[in-house]
Amino acid sequence: DAKTTQPNSMESNEEEPVHLPCNHSTISGTDYIHWYRQLPSQGPEYVIHGLTSNVNNRMASLAIAEDRKSSTLILHRATLRDAAVYYCILRGVVGATNKLIFGTGTLLAVQP
Amino acid sequence: EAGVAQSPRYKIIEKRQSVAFWCNPISGHATLYWYQQILGQGPKLLIQFQNNGVVDDSQLPKDRFSAERLKGVDSTLKIQPAKLEDSAVYLCASSLVMGSYNEQFFGPGTRLTVL
Repeated sequence: DAKTTQPNSMESNEEEPVHLPCNHSTISGTDYIHWYRQLPSQGPEYVIHGLTSNVNNRMASLAIAEDRKSSTLILHRATLRDAAVYYCILRGVVGATNKLIFGTGTLLAVQP
Repeated sequence: EAGVAQSPRYKIIEKRQSVAFWCNPISGHATLYWYQQILGQGPKLLIQFQNNGVVDDSQLPKDRFSAERLKGVDSTLKIQPAKLEDSAVYLCASSLVMGSYNEQFFGPGTRLTVL
């Protein structure tokens, strides 16, 4: 399985931007980059995903390096509610590679 | 739109006892997943259903865990007999169909403590 590497933890201040990095040097050409987050005592929730181009949605932006070996999840203005574990996951198109395989993620703390 | 429902939210049992968890996915979602999340780790897929058929159960400890999805809607996950190492949060998720671009929606989970 293609693997990702994320920092164990990060801190941010409320209302400031947050850049969460993810390295995936063994990504294959058909792997999508997905981000999920897990708030305390809740199940994970989808944040965003992309293949090659940068992506924006109401929750966040995803910046993908040109060689696709790394990506960055950007929260434009962190709130206290954004404190969570953020998972960067590679998903293939079919079969076993299509599974969501969670690592330990990055624990984001947001200070008021 | 109602989310994925799970019950119970918490369960405490003694080792060697049996336990069952129930999941009701989002209406119309064909694919259903059960995950196990041990404290400090990310969720691990146990079993995946497409309608009422099993797609992937490679990580399910079949000597003690079983799951079914009758009629392609609700699902139950059973552990019999439970071991101490089964203490974890059991998460149910659903998606409209299978596919790398299909978002999975997770329920709140059932926290199991085995004493």
